[in-house]
Amino acid sequence: NAGVTQTPKFRVLKTGQSMTLLCAQDMNHEYMYWYRQDPGMGLRLIHYSVGEGTTAKGEVPDGYNVSRLKKQNFLLGLESAAPSQTSVYFCASSYLREYQETQYFGPGTRLLVL
Amino acid sequence: LAKTTQPISMDSYEGQEVNITCSHNNIATNDYITWYQQFPSQGPRFIIQGYKTKVTNEVASLFIPADRKSSTLSLPRVSLSDTAVYYCLVGDDSSASKIIFGSGTRLSIRP
Repeated sequence: NAGVTQTPKFRVLKTGQSMTLLCAQDMNHEYMYWYRQDPGMGLRLIHYSVGEGTTAKGEVPDGYNVSRLKKQNFLLGLESAAPSQTSVYFCASSYLREYQETQYFGPGTRLLVL
Repeated sequence: LAKTTQPISMDSYEGQEVNITCSHNNIATNDYITWYQQFPSQGPRFIIQGYKTKVTNEVASLFIPADRKSSTLSLPRVSLSDTAVYYCLVGDDSSASKIIFGSGTRLSIRP
């Protein structure tokens, strides 16, 4: 089991460029999440998905779009990158057992927007 | 939505027991309490989860009083490798969009 993987690990963009971050999980989890973490801060939820074909906005969705065409993949897109989107992006997936949820995180993608 | 409050930072020494307390005064009936650990340049990692009383696993213990308005993560005999940020989260399976990590507690272990 690879768990949660993220591609790429690091990327530098110029302002206005676009890119897609890929998250893949092999645990058959229903829920998937995209977070961003700025230096010295906690994680903030960007978008999430409760199942294949569904997406929903989190706390900071502006400037990002997502898609969940396959259960195992969750894509995060930046249509026109801005310096304020410089951050570390973490993907997570989770399963539910009764009322309990445990999230499994990927290693992160470091994004620098110049 | 149950907000959590935890100390910004804590220091301790190798071999000591460390207790990190989290306040969640507005915890709802169905909410469970989860703690995550995050090392620099890595994603958070699940440590322990509980609903009431005491939960223990191979890594830590979680103490939850009867009123559930707070919880304490206990790390026995810490080592340098326990230096990390620890997050306390409160939520249930209906609040996928509402689980908030906050800034966590930065734990520094010294030799």
